[in-house]
Amino acid sequence: QSALTQPASVSGSPGQSITISCTGTSSDVGGYNYVSWYQQHPGKAPKLMIYDVSNRPSGVSNRFSGSKSGNTASLTISGLQAEDEADYYCSSYTSSSTLLYVFGTGTKVTVL
Amino acid sequence: EVQLVESGGGLVQPGGSLRLSCAASGFTFSSYDMHWVRQATGKGLEWVSAIGTAGDTYYPGSVKGRFTISRENAKNSLYLQMNSLRAGDTAVYYCARVVAGTSQPDYWGQGTLVTVSS
Repeated sequence: QSALTQPASVSGSPGQSITISCTGTSSDVGGYNYVSWYQQHPGKAPKLMIYDVSNRPSGVSNRFSGSKSGNTASLTISGLQAEDEADYYCSSYTSSSTLLYVFGTGTKVTVL
Repeated sequence: EVQLVESGGGLVQPGGSLRLSCAASGFTFSSYDMHWVRQATGKGLEWVSAIGTAGDTYYPGSVKGRFTISRENAKNSLYLQMNSLRAGDTAVYYCARVVAGTSQPDYWGQGTLVTVSS
């Protein structure tokens, strides 16, 4: 069982929308709705942005939204702002025999 | 306010042992599953272990048999006993609370650095 696959980097201009993909298998992303997304600024702990595929925790901007189709989950950031520049990780419960939980490879978001 | 504070990290030689602690506050610790997650410098997040409210434990193959997760609800504390440490275990270790009813971490501590080197 390897990490979920994310693009290494995504960039956009302020005000634009960007989407980050997260590809897994039917044993993780495709099989369960326990997909979450984390934002991590340098030197800081990860922050939960989306859970259960599309739910936002209290206090997270509604510019962040999540979805899933088949084995691929997506995080969309609309109205991109300078403060959104960070690393983003997806994660999922997995029914793999060797893992309970798996993270994505991570995506660096750059605001141009 | 939910707070998680890790401690116990440091420099250890290959083959050595270390015990990490995570002090929890601001929520009913005994009611939540907990995770340990690590991150090597410049690398991604890696799930290390999990413990349920009933004390059931889970590990990936990379640490199974070497790491032991435990909890002490009376002290609102989570632990990770790490034995037979390798250079590849060098990372910042985070404890994280799990969203009730799911396996997904919501609140994270600030992490503690473990360095395995001779």
